[in-house]
Amino acid sequence: KQEVTQIPAALSVPEGENLVLNCSFTDSAIYNLQWFRQDPGKGLTSLLLIQSSQREQTSGRLNASLDKSSGRSTLYIAASQPGDSATYLCAVRVHEGGSNYKLTFGKGTLLTVNP
Amino acid sequence: SAVISQKPSRDICQRGTSLTIQCQVDSQVTMMFWYRQQPGQSLTLIATANQGSEATYESGFVIDKFPISRPNLTFSTLTVSNMSPEDSSIYLCSVEKVREETQYFGPGTRLLVL
Repeated sequence: KQEVTQIPAALSVPEGENLVLNCSFTDSAIYNLQWFRQDPGKGLTSLLLIQSSQREQTSGRLNASLDKSSGRSTLYIAASQPGDSATYLCAVRVHEGGSNYKLTFGKGTLLTVNP
Repeated sequence: SAVISQKPSRDICQRGTSLTIQCQVDSQVTMMFWYRQQPGQSLTLIATANQGSEATYESGFVIDKFPISRPNLTFSTLTVSNMSPEDSSIYLCSVEKVREETQYFGPGTRLLVL
């Protein structure tokens, strides 16, 4: 059974600091890995999606890496801003046969960026 | 992309009652899902809502407790039946479109059961 773990559970940093969020998964047979942002009352927003054959993806100040063989991914946020404060969720997508895929989520990292 | 709305956005309910949550998408989608996020926990898939047929439930979730409807390609409902305080969670609707490899999520319904 796939399990996804995120470390740390919570992180508080001053504005401007670079930071790294970690995600690990137990079964390396994933289809892709996705990082989401969750804001209260606003659902989940997809930040970056990395295919199993890729090593990293970048979007603005965000960079996500994937090491499938070791079951790890990191989300790097450069020059953090108070608006980055949110819960960040890692999810792996697994093929379950035919056209069926399943997302398994970690518990998330609650990030607070202090002005 | 897909724009998803959920109703209600939040509710406070009494033990033993039932609540139906609605999910509406702005375009036709192939797959619709219902997730639960209990306090401090990750999102857990409840079931896949199938159009015109019974939903497919994940282990630990049953139709009698979480009946689901999907009458067309853009709408689904999840009912939380005979509620107890343990059902207090955020319930999220999610959709997937053909040939897209990502899911889009609704804003969630925050439920508190007293």
